Amino acid sequence: EVQLVESGGGLVQPGGSLRLSCTASGFIFSNYYMAWVRQAPGKGLEWVADLNLDASGKGYVDSVKGRFTISRDNAKASLYLQMNSLRAEDTAIYYCVRDPAWGAADIWGQGTMVSVSS
Amino acid sequence: DVVMTQSPLSLPVTLGQPASISCRSSQSLVASNGNIYLHWFQQRPGQSPRRLIYQVSNRDSGVPDRFSGSGSGTDFTLKISWVEAEDVGVYYCMQGTHWPKTFGQGTKVEIK
Repeated sequence: EVQLVESGGGLVQPGGSLRLSCTASGFIFSNYYMAWVRQAPGKGLEWVADLNLDASGKGYVDSVKGRFTISRDNAKASLYLQMNSLRAEDTAIYYCVRDPAWGAADIWGQGTMVSVSS
Repeated sequence: DVVMTQSPLSLPVTLGQPASISCRSSQSLVASNGNIYLHWFQQRPGQSPRRLIYQVSNRDSGVPDRFSGSGSGTDFTLKISWVEAEDVGVYYCMQGTHWPKTFGQGTKVEIK
C-alpha cells in the first residue's frame, strides 16, 4: 500500500524549532518530487516547500524562506522539514505530499500538528 | 503569486442534484510546454485532502464519474453531476504551473 506517515509535530514556544519527518512506503521514493503542505486551524491549504529527486532543487513559500529547510534521504525513503524561528502563524497541520509532477499531489499523509504558543 | 479565486465559497446542495464550482486564476495557467497544471482536491471532514482531478480534466482512479473537470487559460470548473452524501466536504483547486503553487480558498459543499 502506498503510504506517507508524518511525525515530529508538537507544541513549541515562539522562536523554537521542530523537525518533521515523513516516511514513505509502497513506492519508489527516489522517483518522486516531494512536498510539505500545511493547513492552519479552520483554514485552507498552503504549499510550503518542495524538492526534486536528488534535493538539488528546492522551493519555499516566502513566509518560511530562511526559517524552514526541506530535505530528503532517499536511502531511508524519508522527507524532512526543519523548522526554525517558529511563529504563531506557523501553527497548522503539516502534510507530507507526493508530487508526481507540477503540483499534482496524488498521495497525502495523515498530517502532523504543529502548535506554536507560549 | 498567482491568486486562485473559487466561487461560491459555500454550496448547499440537495441530494441527487448537480453542483458546480468555479475556479479562476489571476494569470494564465498554460505552462511553457503547453500543458495546464490545474488540479482539484477534496477534503472530507476530519480527513486529509485527496486528489480528484489533475491537469484540468483527468479523473483519478476510484473517483466516481459524476465528477468532471473542465476549463482553459484562467477559468476552470469542477462539476458534480449529482451530489451524494459522501461528497460533503471542502473542494480546492490548485495551480502547479507557477511557483509558488497556490490553492483556492476552498468551497464547502453541504447537503441542504
